[in-house]
Amino acid sequence: DAKTTQPPSMDCAEGRAANLPCNHSTISGNEYVYWYRQIHSQGPQYIIHGLKNNETNEMASLIITEDRKSSTLILPHATLRDTAVYYCIVRVAYTDKLIFGTGTRLQVFP
Amino acid sequence: GAGVSQSPSNKVTEKGKDVELRCDPISGHTALYWYRQSLGQGLEFLIYFQGNSAPDKSGLPSDRFSAERTGGSVSTLTIQRTQQEDSAVYLCASSLAVEGRAEAFFGQGTRLTVV
Repeated sequence: DAKTTQPPSMDCAEGRAANLPCNHSTISGNEYVYWYRQIHSQGPQYIIHGLKNNETNEMASLIITEDRKSSTLILPHATLRDTAVYYCIVRVAYTDKLIFGTGTRLQVFP
Repeated sequence: GAGVSQSPSNKVTEKGKDVELRCDPISGHTALYWYRQSLGQGLEFLIYFQGNSAPDKSGLPSDRFSAERTGGSVSTLTIQRTQQEDSAVYLCASSLAVEGRAEAFFGQGTRLTVV
């Protein structure tokens, strides 16, 4: 059963922030939210993960709502190279398997 | 090398033949995953190895598929009596499976074509 729901596609202008939403309304208290992306013809790439607090790294920011039923991945200044399929995944623990859903295809345009 | 290595990068086989796909994970990574991705589709989970625990085989599509991991390192995915619907990119990933360092690193995959 899918644990996350994401829009199938989104567009974003180069240089603008890309905000990718994810619904995980059935998430349990001990489940983490992970984000990966897959650029065409490459293996998926880890972006960020979090439990309940907002997180930021050199690639992106992750905003998790207080009730943890949804989250948003933010790419602050999208570039053409950010065009990819973005996957939101919930995972019980760092020792659990990763199950990918259908993701959001982000197209960054000039 | 520093990353996950998969071989061969491409494999063409005749229907009914057996194939073996190899994955060399990052040294020291205790977790290893296999996925397959058909053209234009998402990643389908196949099997997961974590340390010395019994592997999670819940994603294997049929008994023609099997995988093993020797010495906690190299893994081999075997497909017996290949069918045309087995044609896909097979991806392997590994991770440390340590709190705060659990990101999975993926190889570039093996593209399998069954003719």
